[in-house]
Amino acid sequence: GAVVSQHPSRVICKSGTSVKIECRSLDFQATTMFWYRQFPKQSLMLMATSNEGSKATYEQGVEKDKFLINHASLTLSTLTVTSAHPEDSSFYICSAQTGIGNEQFFGPGTRLTVL
Amino acid sequence: AQSVTQPDIHITVSEGASLELRCNYSYGATPYLFWYVQSPGQGLQLLLKYFSGDTLVQGIKGFEAEFKRSQSSFNLRKPSVHWSDAAEYFCAVGAPGGGADGLTFGKGTHLIIQP
Repeated sequence: GAVVSQHPSRVICKSGTSVKIECRSLDFQATTMFWYRQFPKQSLMLMATSNEGSKATYEQGVEKDKFLINHASLTLSTLTVTSAHPEDSSFYICSAQTGIGNEQFFGPGTRLTVL
Repeated sequence: AQSVTQPDIHITVSEGASLELRCNYSYGATPYLFWYVQSPGQGLQLLLKYFSGDTLVQGIKGFEAEFKRSQSSFNLRKPSVHWSDAAEYFCAVGAPGGGADGLTFGKGTHLIIQP
C-alpha cells in the first residue's frame, strides 16, 4: 500500500512551452501533497505544499505564477511549469501525506529537460 | 530555521563491512527524523523514522539509527553492507508533532560499496 505515482517519468520540451506533471496517490487519500525539486547531485528542496481544495503554499523564492499547483482531488495534484526555460530542468518529486503527523510517501520523480 | 547537515558527501565501504552515516540537525525542538535512500533515477524509499520513545530505531534492510538529543544527531548504521546498498542516502527532519509541513533534507551521502 501507500503508492504514489508520477506521470510522466521523463519529459523533454522546448523553451517557452508549458509542462504538466501529475502526482497520484494510488491506494490512499492524500490530504496534503508536497512538491520538491532536486538538482543533479543535490538534495531535495521543498517547493510548495498543496491541500485538497485550497491554494498551494509556496516556499520562499518559488514563483507561484511559474509553478502552478492544482490539488483538485484527494488523489491527484498537478504541477505545471509555465513558460519553461533551461534553468527549470530538474528532477521534480512529489510526496503525499494521509494526514497531519503521518508519513510522507514519495513518487518516483519526473525528469524535466528544457531545451 | 531548521537545517540538516550530512558532513560526508561520499563514503566508500567494503562489502561486508560496517557502515555509519552521519546526520546532524538544527531545530527549535526535537523534530521528527527520517532516513531515506534513493537509487539512481528512482524516488525515495523510507528506511526508518523517529518520532518519540526509544532512541534506537530499527528500519528496513537491516538499517538502524540512534537519536542523540545532546548531540542533535541521528546517525544511520548497518553492521554489514551489501553491494545493493550502494545509493544516495538522505537524512530529513519534519515538524515535531507532525503537521502539514514539508521535510527539510540534508545534501545526501553517496555510498559506494567496494567488492
